[in-house]
Amino acid sequence: GIQVEQSPPDLILQEGANSTLRCNFSDSVNNLQWFHQNPWGQLINLFYIPSGTKQNGRLSATTVATERYSLLYISSSQTTDSGVYFCGGAPGTALIFGKGTTLSVSS
Amino acid sequence: GAGVSQTPSNKVTEKGKYVELRCDPISGHTALYWYRQSLGQGPEFLIYFQGTGAADDSGLPNDRFFAVRPEGSVSTLKIQRTERGDSAVYLCASSSWGGSDNEQFFGPGTRLTVL
Repeated sequence: GIQVEQSPPDLILQEGANSTLRCNFSDSVNNLQWFHQNPWGQLINLFYIPSGTKQNGRLSATTVATERYSLLYISSSQTTDSGVYFCGGAPGTALIFGKGTTLSVSS
Repeated sequence: GAGVSQTPSNKVTEKGKYVELRCDPISGHTALYWYRQSLGQGPEFLIYFQGTGAADDSGLPNDRFFAVRPEGSVSTLKIQRTERGDSAVYLCASSSWGGSDNEQFFGPGTRLTVL
């Protein structure tokens, strides 16, 4: 089946720094989503982005479908950005997830 | 409702017991998914419903796991003869339809602990 690789696995930042998270897919996907999992375990939708670029405040994402990867950019990070970020891609209907990137932002 | 809801939020049971986990999707969403998340891992797909029927149950680990969605809205995930390895967070998601335009929205999960 399809493999999803996220990098880096862990990221430690000072408040105000920028970061880039990456998601690679071993095969083509129809859908691609980025999530932030909060400390209570809830998956919060960040982007639905099968292709192209989207921006929402300090966050933006780019998916290059032909090269099977997606990037999540976080600018001017805040302590509330801490948590685990997951990408999930769907070759069919169900999402296949990576292992996540754990982000820690300190003040 | 405003979002996907799941009950109970926590369930502790003993090995060998039967459990039911409930998911109430976003109103009007025809597609419903169950996933399972173990500690330190991303969610893993279990089963997908389109309407009342299970369109894809390839992720169910064995025949102790079963899910229903009799009226095309609420779904119940049923686990028989629970094992300690079944301990995980069970997540439910829904989307407006199961085609290529398919943003999924997740509930808060049910944390299952099998003693």
